[in-house]
Amino acid sequence: EVQLVESGGGLVQPGGSLRLSCATSGFIFSSHWMSWVRQAPGKGLEWVANIKQDGSEKYYGDSVTGRFIVSRDNAKKSVYLQMNSLRADDTAVYYCARDVGSSGIDHWGLGALVTVSS
Amino acid sequence: SYELTQPPSMSVSPGQTARITCSGDALPKEYAYWYQQKAGQAPVVVIYKDSERPSGIPERFSGSSSGTTVTLTISGVQAEDEADYYCQSVDISGHSWVFGGGTKLTVL
Repeated sequence: EVQLVESGGGLVQPGGSLRLSCATSGFIFSSHWMSWVRQAPGKGLEWVANIKQDGSEKYYGDSVTGRFIVSRDNAKKSVYLQMNSLRADDTAVYYCARDVGSSGIDHWGLGALVTVSS
Repeated sequence: SYELTQPPSMSVSPGQTARITCSGDALPKEYAYWYQQKAGQAPVVVIYKDSERPSGIPERFSGSSSGTTVTLTISGVQAEDEADYYCQSVDISGHSWVFGGGTKLTVL
């Protein structure tokens, strides 16, 4: 069974940093692109970033480019999201997801809540 | 920036057919995905690559594509299908993902 478990969420002050982790199991992690998607309270889904199997390609949504960094460790079967210069509008549930090729998602984690507030 | 357009809401009675559309200029060239999100839960894929249905998804869910519009069809809607539905695809560069704004399906 494919499992994706996010951790590292919490409360952070504006301008601060936070690192999310996503531990995976149940599939060959090194064979899949991985993504991060977020959802602000009461709002729709927003793509944040994705990363190729070997980490050689990374792409970001416009609202996080230059502030967030996606990375992965295939030995640990984990993907990470380093979030810097956080703003109030970054407050959201952040989902880790497994990609189908590099064009969509076939499995989602349960999400981790990030709250940016003073 | 690239956008996908969905109707914000739709209401159907049990047993009827719901058709949710999603429009975008790159859809003739890029696959579309559909996700169902029930209140308080993580999304679940119900259609991938325009028309493929994952295992475990009921046969009443189907997807189709025509030009710049893709459609999620739910035949014989059931009360449990009440949820938000999001389409998702990729822009013409092939790298930047985008989600539609979501359609709230209400089963009367």
